[in-house]
Amino acid sequence: GENVEQHPSTLSVQEGDSAVIKCTYSDSASNYFPWYKQELGKRPQLIIDIRSNVGEKKDQRIAVTLNKTAKHFSLHITETQPEDSAVYFCAARNTMEYGNKLVFGAGTILRVKS
Amino acid sequence: EPEVTQTPSHQVTQMGQEVILRCVPISNHLYFYWYRQILGQKVEFLVSFYNNEISEKSEIFDDQFSVERPDGSNFTLKIRSTKLEDSAMYFCASSEETFRLAGGGDTQYFGPGTRLTVL
Repeated sequence: GENVEQHPSTLSVQEGDSAVIKCTYSDSASNYFPWYKQELGKRPQLIIDIRSNVGEKKDQRIAVTLNKTAKHFSLHITETQPEDSAVYFCAARNTMEYGNKLVFGAGTILRVKS
Repeated sequence: EPEVTQTPSHQVTQMGQEVILRCVPISNHLYFYWYRQILGQKVEFLVSFYNNEISEKSEIFDDQFSVERPDGSNFTLKIRSTKLEDSAMYFCASSEETFRLAGGGDTQYFGPGTRLTVL
């Protein structure tokens, strides 16, 4: 089955710097890759996702890139702000499978220092 | 904006007791899920439910677990005889029925979670 690895486990950046979180997946049939942000004690919230028919997607300060050949995808946050501090999870899914199961990475704790 | 809701927010139970965790998915969604997150570990898929039946379940979802949609709004997870290792945060999620869109699927929206503590 699918396995998703996520790095780094913790990331500290200075306010205004960029942050990059990387994930690799094992199942070449996976074709949907969402990123969730989880603040302390709150629900995971989707911040951006990418489908296998595109290589990059941007939404203001957030971007995701996908390399299907290498089976990895990355989250890029530019001009980081203290409110970006949270745990970020990547996930992968094969949408042709009936069950819609999301397989998550282990999470990255992002700390933005002001 | 509609949200998935879950009750209770925290449940404490004794080992061997039955617990029922409740979820109200977003009203026009047709696909429902349960995930769990043991403290400090990754979010793990338990089960997905569509058209009043389980569509996929993980190895974690053994005979001690069951799901039900008892009415038009609630979606429940029952653990028949809880074990210490069932202590975790349990998240419900829901999505629309657009999972076979070409090139990708639909968004799963998560509830706030129920923290289950088994003593």
